[in-house]
Amino acid sequence: QSDLTQPASVSGSPGQSITFSCTGTSSDIGGFDYVSWYQQHPGKVPKLIIFDVSNRPSGVPNRFSGSKSGNTASLTISGLQSEDEADYYCISYTSSDTLVFGSGTKVTVL
Amino acid sequence: QVQLQESGPGLVKPSETLSLTCSVFWGSVSTGIHYWSWIRQPPGKRLEWIGYIYYSGTTKYNPSLKSRATISQDTSKNQFSLSLTSVTAADTAVYYCARLTGYFHFDLWGQGNLVTVSS
Repeated sequence: QSDLTQPASVSGSPGQSITFSCTGTSSDIGGFDYVSWYQQHPGKVPKLIIFDVSNRPSGVPNRFSGSKSGNTASLTISGLQSEDEADYYCISYTSSDTLVFGSGTKVTVL
Repeated sequence: QVQLQESGPGLVKPSETLSLTCSVFWGSVSTGIHYWSWIRQPPGKRLEWIGYIYYSGTTKYNPSLKSRATISQDTSKNQFSLSLTSVTAADTAVYYCARLTGYFHFDLWGQGNLVTVSS
């Protein structure tokens, strides 16, 4: 199985909205609604911010939203804040009953 | 509140076997609701899924590890473990244990255990 493809980096100014993608295949993202997103600050444990494509766990700000179209999932951060500067990873369930991770996107707040 | 804690050596010699254990506190590995998983992250690099185990003993692994990984569980101790054979420097990483829900997202992580492969 191949990694899910994410842009290496995305940047935006405070208050702006950014959206970045996570591209897979019909055997993972395209075949199931089990896509999740994680935020990881340097030296910290990853934190779940989106599950089942578009659901937010309790306590995650509503400026984080997720969506999916075909084989591509997307994460949008609206009203970008300085604390959103982190690495973001997508993960999908696959038709082989395994998991596949994204390559990671570094978000920089200008 | 359920907590996970990894334990194991921080240094392993090349060609030897890496062994880590994850202890589950205030929860049970035998509920049948969750899967129990290992994930790793080499320094400065991306997360990589290693595999998971279900309470029934069913396991699944990342094919890229080419059968070097084995995940097992000890329900009497409420623990699950990772064994990775024939390690090389490329296996140097922070190893996380994590709880995987029935909808295949990780809702709980351990703090991570840095394992360095070096002679």
